[in-house]
Amino acid sequence: AQSVTQPDIHITVSEGASLELRCNYSYGATPYLFWYVQSPGQGLQLLLKYFSGDTLVQGIKGFEAEFKRSQSSFNLRKPSVHWSDAAEYFCAVGTGNQFYFGTGTSLTVIP
Amino acid sequence: DGGITQSPKYLFRKEGQNVTLSCEQNLNHDAMYWYRQDPGQGLRLIYYSQIVNDFQKGDIAEGYSVSREKKESFPLTVTSAQKNPTAFYLCASSIGRASNQPQHFGDGTRLSIL
Repeated sequence: AQSVTQPDIHITVSEGASLELRCNYSYGATPYLFWYVQSPGQGLQLLLKYFSGDTLVQGIKGFEAEFKRSQSSFNLRKPSVHWSDAAEYFCAVGTGNQFYFGTGTSLTVIP
Repeated sequence: DGGITQSPKYLFRKEGQNVTLSCEQNLNHDAMYWYRQDPGQGLRLIYYSQIVNDFQKGDIAEGYSVSREKKESFPLTVTSAQKNPTAFYLCASSIGRASNQPQHFGDGTRLSIL
C-alpha cells in the first residue's frame, strides 16, 4: 500500500540546536516530494519541494531537505532552530495525480 | 496578493443542521480541494475538483457535498448525515491536479457542534 510515514509524532529541541524531521514513503517510482509547515489555527505553507536533480533542496525559512532514494526518505533539516519554528510539519508525496500527506510532526522549541 | 480565503474562521452547527463553508481563490488555479484535519490523523481528502462543474469524491466524502459553479469558488456543505463533523477544514488549490503541482492552502475553518 502507498504510504507516507513521519515516525516522530512530537519533537522538542532547544533554540539554536539543529533539527531533523524524518519522512519515509512507500511508492513504486520516485514521487514528487514536499514539506509543509502549519502554525496553530492556520493553513499549510509550502517549505520546499523536490522533483528531480540535486537531491539536496533548499527552501524558505532556512530549511533544507535531502532525498535519499535508497532509503525512500526525504528528511527535513535546519541547522539552527528559532523559537518561531514551533509548528506542525507535514511531509507530502505526489504520485499518479494523487497527493498524500503524512500525519505530521509537532515541533516544540524551548528557550 | 493572490491567495485562498476561507470563511468563516469558526462555525458552530446544531444537530440536524446543514452548514456551508466558503472557499474562494484568486490564483487562477484549476484544481481545488477540501481536506478534513483531526488531531493525529493528518489531512484526509473529502472532495476535489479539477475544472468547473466537475468534482470527485475523496477518501471521506460521506456526509459532505460540494459544488464548483465558478473557477474561483468551491464551497463545502457539511450535511446532517455527517455524524462527527467537529474538525478543522482546509481548502486548497493547485494549478492542476498533476502530482508535481504543490497545493496552496487557506487558513481553515474550525467547525464545532453546539
